Amino acid sequence: KAGVTQTPRYLIKTRGQQVTLSCSPISGHRSVSWYQQTPGQGLQFLFEYFSETQRNKGNFPGRFSGRQFSNSRSEMNVSTLELGDSALYLCASSGGTGTEKLFFGSGTQLSVL
Amino acid sequence: GENVEQHPSTLSVQEGDSAVIKCTYSDSASNYFPWYKQELGKRPQLIIDIRSNVGEKKDQRIAVTLNKTAKHFSLHITETQPEDSAVYFCAAPSGGSYIPTFGRGTSLIVHP
Repeated sequence: KAGVTQTPRYLIKTRGQQVTLSCSPISGHRSVSWYQQTPGQGLQFLFEYFSETQRNKGNFPGRFSGRQFSNSRSEMNVSTLELGDSALYLCASSGGTGTEKLFFGSGTQLSVL
Repeated sequence: GENVEQHPSTLSVQEGDSAVIKCTYSDSASNYFPWYKQELGKRPQLIIDIRSNVGEKKDQRIAVTLNKTAKHFSLHITETQPEDSAVYFCAAPSGGSYIPTFGRGTSLIVHP
């Protein structure tokens, strides 16, 4: 069974640009959640999609958005990038019950210059 | 929503010692408590989890204990080895949420 795949692995952008990150979940998983990880801040929850609908949302500004396609693949978009958006962005997939293991991707390391 | 606090933020031990990481949570309806290990440059991976109908669970050198009355759960690693060096995250879902809230992580350093 293939694991969770995130692309690209690394991204370098400049302030003001926008970026799109992609996440392909494990086959059969309907829930995809996104996290921002920065040193000392742990895993900050961005949002979760389940069956193409945003089911949960964290406390991030509207510049952060996402979507999920019918095949459960998900994309995350960040518009008008700021220096503080530099982070490792992780996605995780699961069956979506909330009481089960999350499978994480390797993440996308975003650097904003 | 759920509030999860994790302590300590850094833990340094000698190889062979035991390590204990503790988390507290706020939502009494939480019923699932996983622990994830993230080695440097790698993705977080589940190492052990416990459900609210169980007080303790063991898997070789790793154990998790749960005290629902006090709303805390702990990760115990015995006979630590250098390969145990990593960041460990606890998590707990809110009763009405499908998403776990993570603690801030504990950086465990095992000195040979």
